[in-house]
Amino acid sequence: GAVVSQHPSRVICKSGTSVKIECRSLDFQATTMFWYRQFPKQSLMLMATSNEGSKATYEQGVEKDKFLINHASLTLSTLTVTSAHPEDSSFYICSARTRRTSAPKAETQYFGPGTRLLVL
Amino acid sequence: QKEVEQDPGPLSVPEGAIVSLNCTYSNSAFQYFMWYRQYSRKGPELLMYTYSSGNKEDGRFTAQVDKSSKYISLFIRDSQPSDSATYLCAMSILTSYGKLTFGQGTILTVHP
Repeated sequence: GAVVSQHPSRVICKSGTSVKIECRSLDFQATTMFWYRQFPKQSLMLMATSNEGSKATYEQGVEKDKFLINHASLTLSTLTVTSAHPEDSSFYICSARTRRTSAPKAETQYFGPGTRLLVL
Repeated sequence: QKEVEQDPGPLSVPEGAIVSLNCTYSNSAFQYFMWYRQYSRKGPELLMYTYSSGNKEDGRFTAQVDKSSKYISLFIRDSQPSDSATYLCAMSILTSYGKLTFGQGTILTVHP
């Protein structure tokens, strides 16, 4: 159980275009989904926290208008990188937190396999 | 000072060795502690989670938490080449709505 998928796994796009990445929890309902980016040999950097049906909360320094997050249901969240530029090239990873209320599982996150974005 | 410090390594050990991975933290509000394993170009995989001081064992893995010292460890017994990956510690506070704070990750290589 607790499987999270991401689509696409890899995308190459031209500078100036927009790219949408989907994150789905396959076998559980996620109260919250998180979006991270990771540069080579570095740890995960949280970009935003997304709760179903409400606006995402962005971390300091992350541009809301550039990284659009939609959390339409308890199993789906999308990240759209608008007007992508080469510096946006990175590994984007989503995670989902379960609705289980018993600690500590309520605090654990399950990660998707990641999406590698390359902007030319 | 970072909230969570983890030695990035890299760490290289022979097959069968006992591996010790460690993190220290400064925020005493952290209540939940997790270890993730990440293979190259993949998302992190949850290995262990705990919310109390002491040891928790799962197969070849043992997670240890010492809240008084603000120190957590992951031990891997009888290490295998398939254990070669980056190991990330992560922690969260009770009211953080699941927001995790990660260590930098330790790159581990187990050679045959």
